[in-house]
Amino acid sequence: DGGITQSPKYLFRKEGQNVTLSCEQNLNHDAMYWYRQDPGQGLRLIYYSQIVNDFQKGDIAEGYSVSREKKESFPLTVTSAQKNPTAFYLCASNPGTGGVGHGYTFGSGTRLTVV
Amino acid sequence: AQSVTQLDSHVSVSEGTPVLLRCNYSSSYSPSLFWYVQHPNKGLQLLLKYTSAATLVKGINGFEAEFKKSETSFHLTKPSAHMSDAAEYFCVVTNNNAGNMLTFGGGTRLMVKP
Repeated sequence: DGGITQSPKYLFRKEGQNVTLSCEQNLNHDAMYWYRQDPGQGLRLIYYSQIVNDFQKGDIAEGYSVSREKKESFPLTVTSAQKNPTAFYLCASNPGTGGVGHGYTFGSGTRLTVV
Repeated sequence: AQSVTQLDSHVSVSEGTPVLLRCNYSSSYSPSLFWYVQHPNKGLQLLLKYTSAATLVKGINGFEAEFKKSETSFHLTKPSAHMSDAAEYFCVVTNNNAGNMLTFGGGTRLMVKP
């Protein structure tokens, strides 16, 4: 079945460490996205990529980095510069072509906790 | 610019009674609108979407929503709540001029009492 796989489901990080969250899709989608979810705040866009080897900052990119070396993979690194990284992180994709209305597919998320 | 306001952060209903989750949007262009549902520690599942066709949109699990341009609203309804409907619901707007980027409302937590 086609879909998005995020791993790990739960991740614990010590302060000052970088961690990388994995996102893989087998939907052949061009566009991929990372969102951060905090209680009562909906989802906020961190980074997005509309094509391989290209990505753009979203609304809250500071303290995060991404790469898009392969179409199916869009890993997110939470760096030590991110002051409040504890959150639920969601990866999403969509076909990226054909205009408005194409549905997004979301992964099941990674919950990151700083200890 | 576009924005979404979900008017209630929490809604509580009894099982078998109607559900109404309210959403107002703002968009400079003709929008597409979506409702997503999220169960605890899960990803988002698409309930329904409006993309300039029929203004009354039917979705999965008995949910529907009506696009009202004059009121800039896209409220989500269901005639009879089920315990399994308890979840977080997000109203989302996008438009072609925003590069198909999603803008999320703050979410409404639906609680269903037995």
